Amino acid sequence: SQKIEQNSEALNIQEGKTATLTCNYTNYSPAYLQWYRQDPGRGPVFLLLIRENEKEKRKERLKVTFDTTLKQSLFHITASQPADSATYLCALEDNQGGKLIFGQGTELSVKP
Amino acid sequence: DAGVIQSPRHEVTEMGQEVTLRCKPISGHDYLFWYRQTMMRGLELLIYFNNNVPIDDSGMPEDRFSAKMPNASFSTLKIQPSEPRDSAVYFCASSLGRMNTGELFFGEGSRLTVL
Repeated sequence: SQKIEQNSEALNIQEGKTATLTCNYTNYSPAYLQWYRQDPGRGPVFLLLIRENEKEKRKERLKVTFDTTLKQSLFHITASQPADSATYLCALEDNQGGKLIFGQGTELSVKP
Repeated sequence: DAGVIQSPRHEVTEMGQEVTLRCKPISGHDYLFWYRQTMMRGLELLIYFNNNVPIDDSGMPEDRFSAKMPNASFSTLKIQPSEPRDSAVYFCASSLGRMNTGELFFGEGSRLTVL
């Protein structure tokens, strides 16, 4: 069956360190993958999209990698700040096309 | 632009009552999505529209759920009759073009509690 798996346990890191979040998928062949941020009581907010032919993409302190062989995407936040504390969701299009399917999300907590 | 606007933000109702959730997408966006989020199941796609036409409603859990998009600026998600297991946060999102060309813009959600 199709699955998208993100670290179910919350990730706690110290301010200034790099946070690395993982998104693994099975039985999907996505042409792209998206990452979103969700704060408590708010809707998800888009951060980055990476295509299958892009190994890496950067936006300010964010970096995303996409390995279609490993079926994995890594999401990095460098020089993390307490304001980065949120839940991060990965999402990809299902094989039938047209539907964006989300992982369960990983909660990140950055301590000062 | 004000973004995707959803109402009500919170709804508490009793089992068996009809619930109507509303959504105004971003002007000019041609795709509209309804998602439901719970702790157990995460964010699930219920239905999506393209140019006001329902394209895929396979995520709608039961016949008790229905969605309409009478025009490009308005959509409703209706639950009749509601049940306690329908308690969740319901999100509406819109996009310009398909998801592989860009992002979904989400509303702030409607938190539904069915007693």
